[in-house]
Amino acid sequence: EAGVTQSPTHLIKTRGQQATLRCSPISGHTSVYWYQQALGLGLQFLLWYDEGEERNRGNFPPRFSGRQFPNYSSELNVNALELEDSALYLCASSSLQRSGNTIYFGEGSWLTVV
Amino acid sequence: RKEVEQDPGPFNVPEGATVAFNCTYSNSASQSFFWYRQDCRKEPKLLMSVYSSGNEDGRFTAQLNRASQYISLLIRDSKLSDSATYLCVVSRNQFYFGTGTSLTVIP
Repeated sequence: EAGVTQSPTHLIKTRGQQATLRCSPISGHTSVYWYQQALGLGLQFLLWYDEGEERNRGNFPPRFSGRQFPNYSSELNVNALELEDSALYLCASSSLQRSGNTIYFGEGSWLTVV
Repeated sequence: RKEVEQDPGPFNVPEGATVAFNCTYSNSASQSFFWYRQDCRKEPKLLMSVYSSGNEDGRFTAQLNRASQYISLLIRDSKLSDSATYLCVVSRNQFYFGTGTSLTVIP
């Protein structure tokens, strides 16, 4: 069974541009989570989608946005990129319907803003 | 107050040592508990779920104390390959991650 897949693996953008990151959850998972991890730091929660709806949002500015599609895949958009947005962006999925559900991560997308 | 708090370490231990990590969580309504392992520049991976009765997986033992709202992980006979950051995770629909405890096992 395929795990969580993310694309692109690496992305280099210049300050002020927009970045779009994509995520496909594990088959059967309806929840998708996005996290930002700057080098050497912990995971920072960005967004949580379930059944196409945004369920919660972390303490990030509005230029961080996303959506979840009918097939449960998801997109994270970062507008007006700043140097400090350089980080590993991790997508994860889970199934809320299962008791004791766990969360599984993709390998992440490295975003570098220059 | 943070949802999950962990001692960031670092813990530097010799091979063969026993090491224990603790974390505390703030919301008594938390339903599920986990330990994840994250290697440098990689994604976190599930190490083990944590149950009130305690559970063991080889050299790893996890415990949950709901009354005190803390979770522990014990690693016995540490191996070089255990060097990583260990993340404490609690969930109640959403998943809340601790900042992680760094472990380095020294030859």
